[in-house]
Amino acid sequence: SQTIHQWPATLVQPVGSPLSLECTVEGTSNPNLYWYRQAAGRGLQLLFYSVGIGQISSEVPQNLSASRPQDRQFILSSKKLLLSDSGFYLCAWSIRRAASEQYFGPGTRLTVT
Amino acid sequence: QKEVEQDPGPLSVPEGAIVSLNCTYSNSAFQYFMWYRQYSRKGPELLMYTYSSGNKEDGRFTAQVDKSSKYISLFIRDSQPSDSATYLCHMGGSNYKLTFGKGTLLTVNP
Repeated sequence: SQTIHQWPATLVQPVGSPLSLECTVEGTSNPNLYWYRQAAGRGLQLLFYSVGIGQISSEVPQNLSASRPQDRQFILSSKKLLLSDSGFYLCAWSIRRAASEQYFGPGTRLTVT
Repeated sequence: QKEVEQDPGPLSVPEGAIVSLNCTYSNSAFQYFMWYRQYSRKGPELLMYTYSSGNKEDGRFTAQVDKSSKYISLFIRDSQPSDSATYLCHMGGSNYKLTFGKGTLLTVNP
């Protein structure tokens, strides 16, 4: 069966510090991978998605970047965090088919102070 | 007009009630329709998915899609306190366009 991991689970970082969140998927090959942010009281905002190694599409211009160095690894980064980057970050995967159902990881709760 | 509209609630019902959760959409290119359940401080969990108009049943849950009216519903029969969560509709089409509703917060009171 497929499993998706995210770490860390929670993170408190000062403004201006760098960020690296990691997501890995087990039990499947060539997944589509996604990063979402969920702010308090708001819906899911798609940040990035990837259909293959090194292929990243950005949905929203922002202070964040994403990379996919391996088939089942997806990384979300920032060089300098802003207060507005606080939120619940979710990684998801789907089978290699357009806009199919997605499976989410447990999330990382980021607080920028 | 927003692409996906979902009543945010909150919705509070007694245990055993039938719950109806709804989303409307404007993009006729949407072909895939999903419902997720999200408990507080957890990632969303896929509940139901369907690719066609009509009803799909899974236990106490029924997903309904009406493409002509651009309307989808999730029905929960015999609701339980453990069903208390936020429910998100999710839909997409062949161009990778993926859109979530903002979610409806449901509380089932024992």
